[in-house]
Amino acid sequence: LAKTTQPISMDSYEGQEVNITCSHNNIATNDYITWYQQFPSQGPRFIIQGYKTKVTNEVASLFIPADRKSSTLSLPRVSLSDTAVYYCLVAPGGSGGYNKLIFGAGTRLAVHP
Amino acid sequence: GAVVSQHPSWVICKSGTSVKIECRSLDFQATTMFWYRQFPKQSLMLMATSNEGSKATYEQGVEKDKFLINHASLTLSTLTVTSAHPEDSSFYICSASSGQTNSPLHFGNGTRLTVT
Repeated sequence: LAKTTQPISMDSYEGQEVNITCSHNNIATNDYITWYQQFPSQGPRFIIQGYKTKVTNEVASLFIPADRKSSTLSLPRVSLSDTAVYYCLVAPGGSGGYNKLIFGAGTRLAVHP
Repeated sequence: GAVVSQHPSWVICKSGTSVKIECRSLDFQATTMFWYRQFPKQSLMLMATSNEGSKATYEQGVEKDKFLINHASLTLSTLTVTSAHPEDSSFYICSASSGQTNSPLHFGNGTRLTVT
């Protein structure tokens, strides 16, 4: 499984765009990149998943460069409720299938008023 | 969308007793379920992979006789913490996979276990 590296923590203010970058230099050809959000005392919640280029859904965008050695989760106009830990994971076929997910340390995002 | 239900959400037990935690996939069949443990301010640590109808696969360092996993049906996996001790106090989280490649893994809301 490819190892991921993310900043340990980030701070932002309400209304700002937040970009969290994840490094995964050893990503394999059949690996997908998945991001999860976790609030205290809750299970992780799926945010977005992608293989290459750009993926956008109602809550976030995921940018993946051509070499796929990194990815950036973009949260537009964050609010206080976006304060959470964000995990970047890389696994064959994405987070579905039969593949176990190994979580790294994640990025602790704090959004301030 | 796919929902994973975990029960109970919290439990307090006395040292030496056993506790069972249930993980159910409510609207899909989960051939594979995963059990994680999370200590305060730390990341999720994978404990074991549970496959329906077969024995669970445990990660290195996880005692299979202490953490009993049963995946008897396509919608239910259970984790039993046997002879619990205070050091077993933690947040236990399950996740379930339908087996579809592009379908994300869904997580339960976790069970807070406190052993006194």
